[in-house]
Parts: sequence; structure tokens; C-alpha cells
Amino acid sequence: EDQVTQSPEALRLQEGESSSLNCSYTVSGLRGLFWYRQDPGKGPEFLFTLYSAGEEKEKERLKATLTKKESFLHITAPKPEDSATYLCAVQPQGGKLIFGQGTELSVKP
Amino acid sequence: DARVTQTPRHKVTEMGQEVTMRCQPILGHNTVFWYRQTMMQGLELLAYFRNRAPLDDSGMPKDRFSAEMPDATLATLKIQPSEPRDSAVYFCASGGPAQATEAFFGQGTRLTVV
Repeated sequence: EDQVTQSPEALRLQEGESSSLNCSYTVSGLRGLFWYRQDPGKGPEFLFTLYSAGEEKEKERLKATLTKKESFLHITAPKPEDSATYLCAVQPQGGKLIFGQGTELSVKP
Repeated sequence: DARVTQTPRHKVTEMGQEVTMRCQPILGHNTVFWYRQTMMQGLELLAYFRNRAPLDDSGMPKDRFSAEMPDATLATLKIQPSEPRDSAVYFCASGGPAQATEAFFGQGTRLTVV
């Protein structure tokens, strides 16, 4: 069965304190792994797509990496505006998009 | 500014009533997803379409939910009859024609069934 597990469920950081979010997955034939950011009351906002192990993508303070079993979202020197829920999703063969439960990130000034 | 548009944004209805949610995918996107989000379950895939054909609706309670794409610019999700446990935020997302492509989400419909 295709599964996505994110950890931790919640993460509280001080501004400038770097950390990483984890997304572990088991899927039959990975087509792509996606990271989204979701702010309260809004729909998920697309951040990154990763297709194969070893691939990395960066955007401002965020960097996503991928191995055959997991993906990490590294946050370098976070700011309060980075506070949000970060969602990981995988797309197996067949095309459906399966989401993890998310990591709620809070960055305090 | 290409975006997925969902209507209504909020809906309060009484138990037993029919609810219809609408989604306009991004022009040119041929994949449409319907998700339901709750605090307990997170984002659950209800159904998805490619080129207007339903590919998977196994996440949907078949006795009361139905999803259709009457044309390429409109997707609908219908609940009949609605129940309090259907209260959630319903999201529509659309994606492009590539084999693996990111999906772009609408702002959601917040449904409350009383």
C-alpha cells in the first residue's frame, strides 16, 4: 500500500534556528514527490517537485532533497513568515497524489 | 493569473440537503483532483479525473458522493444527502498533462452540515 509519513507533527523554532522536516514514503513506482506549504484558511501552495534520488531543489531559505525512501525539507535561518504547515505528497504509477499529514512549523521572533 | 477557482467558498446546510461544489481548473490542465481536509484525517483524496474521465474514486463514499466533469472547464462534487460528518474543507486541484506534474489547489469550499 502506498504511504506517506511526515515527522515531526509539529516543530517550533526560534528565528534563525535551522532545521529539517522529514517525509518517508513507500510507493510502487515513484513518479514524483512534491512539497507544499499551507497557510491557515488557504489551499496548499506548490513549492517543489523531485523526481529521482539524489535530486535537490532550492527556493530562498528552503531546500528539498530526495532519497529512495525519504525526502527532507531543510529550512535555513527561518523567519516568522515561514510559519505554516508543510505537506509532502507522492505520485505513484497511475497518477494519484497521496499526501502526508503535514508538519506544522512555528517560527518565533 | 492562472488559478483554480472553487465555488462557493463557504456553505452551511442542513443535514439531508444536497450540496454541490464547483471547480474551474487551470486552462490547459487535464488532471483534476478532489480532496477533503479535516483536522483528524488531513488531506484525503476523494476522486481524480484525467481528460475528464474518472480514474479513481475509491476514496469517495459512493452512496452519497458523486463527482463529474461535464466539460474541461468545470468539475463538480455533489453530496446527497449531506450528513454532519461531511463537514470539512473540500479542495479541488488541477495538474498538467505530464506523467508527473505538480497540482495547483483552489482556495477550498468550507462545508458545514448542521
